[in-house]
Amino acid sequence: DIQMTQSPSSLSASAGDRVTITCRASQTINLYLNWYQQKPGKAPKLLISAASKLQYGVPSRFSGGGSGSNFTLTISSLQPEDFATYYCQQSDSTPYTFGQGTKLEIK
Amino acid sequence: QVQLVESGGGVVQPGRSLGLSCAASGFTFRTYGMHWVRQAPGKGLEWVAVVSYDGSNKDYADSVKGRFTISRDNSENTLFLQLSSLRPEDTAVYFCAKEGVHYFGSGNANYFDSWGQGTLVSVSS
Repeated sequence: DIQMTQSPSSLSASAGDRVTITCRASQTINLYLNWYQQKPGKAPKLLISAASKLQYGVPSRFSGGGSGSNFTLTISSLQPEDFATYYCQQSDSTPYTFGQGTKLEIK
Repeated sequence: QVQLVESGGGVVQPGRSLGLSCAASGFTFRTYGMHWVRQAPGKGLEWVAVVSYDGSNKDYADSVKGRFTISRDNSENTLFLQLSSLRPEDTAVYFCAKEGVHYFGSGNANYFDSWGQGTLVSVSS
């Protein structure tokens, strides 16, 4: 199975900050990497697919990058509604696996 | 718009069975692969199973293989997950998710573009 490792596991930041979350795969997964946002008690929401394709309706302050086995999710200027948990997920091969999550908290 | 509504969760004793359903609307259900993803209380996301658009291909996480069965009824726009030989570690919120696909020359990039609200399964004696 492909292991996905996110860093950091938690992050404190302020509104207006630029933050970057990193996701590393245990083997190359080309561009088959997705990012989701989850708020407490809610279903995950797709932000970015295929490493860098912004989902329709997602604000442009979110961006994704990387290829191979190293990927990033960047939020250019944090808004209050962005404080949530973020997950990466590989779709290179089943079993599809998720990172352990990065909890983004208000400083 | 796309709507996915899960049902069937509840409290069940270890070793027993339970059936989950996911009613889909707002898209052409029969043309999309569908997945189940679960989340144990306070934990991360775990992919559980996938079924192809026509039901002909299925795959499972090792943790549920041989105990869970995914299926679909395209005439009723409904996805199912039959859970059997349940264990306490199966306790989780179960989400159904619609598959999206980007087609590249070198392969297809899948993702979960719509999710239901989840249904809680609690396995306890």
